[in-house]
Amino acid sequence: DVVMTQTPVSLSVSLGGQVSISCRSSQSLVHNNGNTYLSWYLQKPGQSPQLLIYKVSNRFSGISDRFSGSGSGTDFTLKISRVEPDDLGVYYCGQGTQYPYTFGAGTKLELK
Amino acid sequence: QVQLKETGPGLVQPTQTLSITCTVSGFSLTSYYMQWVRQTPGKGLEWMGFIRSGGSTEYNSEFKSRLSISRDTSKNQVFLKMNSLKTEDTGVYYCARGNLDYWGQGVMVTVSS
Repeated sequence: DVVMTQTPVSLSVSLGGQVSISCRSSQSLVHNNGNTYLSWYLQKPGQSPQLLIYKVSNRFSGISDRFSGSGSGTDFTLKISRVEPDDLGVYYCGQGTQYPYTFGAGTKLELK
Repeated sequence: QVQLKETGPGLVQPTQTLSITCTVSGFSLTSYYMQWVRQTPGKGLEWMGFIRSGGSTEYNSEFKSRLSISRDTSKNQVFLKMNSLKTEDTGVYYCARGNLDYWGQGVMVTVSS
């Protein structure tokens, strides 16, 4: 199985600040079809995960441009700029390139 | 708008079978994959499997021997059945559309005698 490793485990940020979350996979996430199926999700307290970014850098409908994804191969990053209170929660990366699909353990974003 | 809602028992006894229904609206099951993901204290988010728009299925081998995903397109419902439950299966079970773009609220399942 592809192991997804997220760092850091938790992150403290001031409102208006910027943060980066790293996600590394144990194998390349480049699919045979040339796409890289790496997504980012945010789970707010008491809610289900919500899709933020798909295929490395594509923002899902309605997602602010304060969220940006980058990376390739096995190394990916989510950046959040001008952090707002509604951004707090646990961020997960997930891969849909190889069965079984797998997720990282999460990065908790908290207020400083 | 797109909506998904899971319904199922809150409590299941060990060795018994779990049955969860996901009822969707705002899109057609014949146009989208439907996936099942669970979140447990021990393993976090785990992909369980999906049913394709054409009706074929794919399962995580971790569950393959005891998991079944099916659907009734006329009722806009997708079903998860998993047998031989263990206490480690306690968690929240989610259905999600396609590339996990929309998720249901989840249903909490406790496996305990």
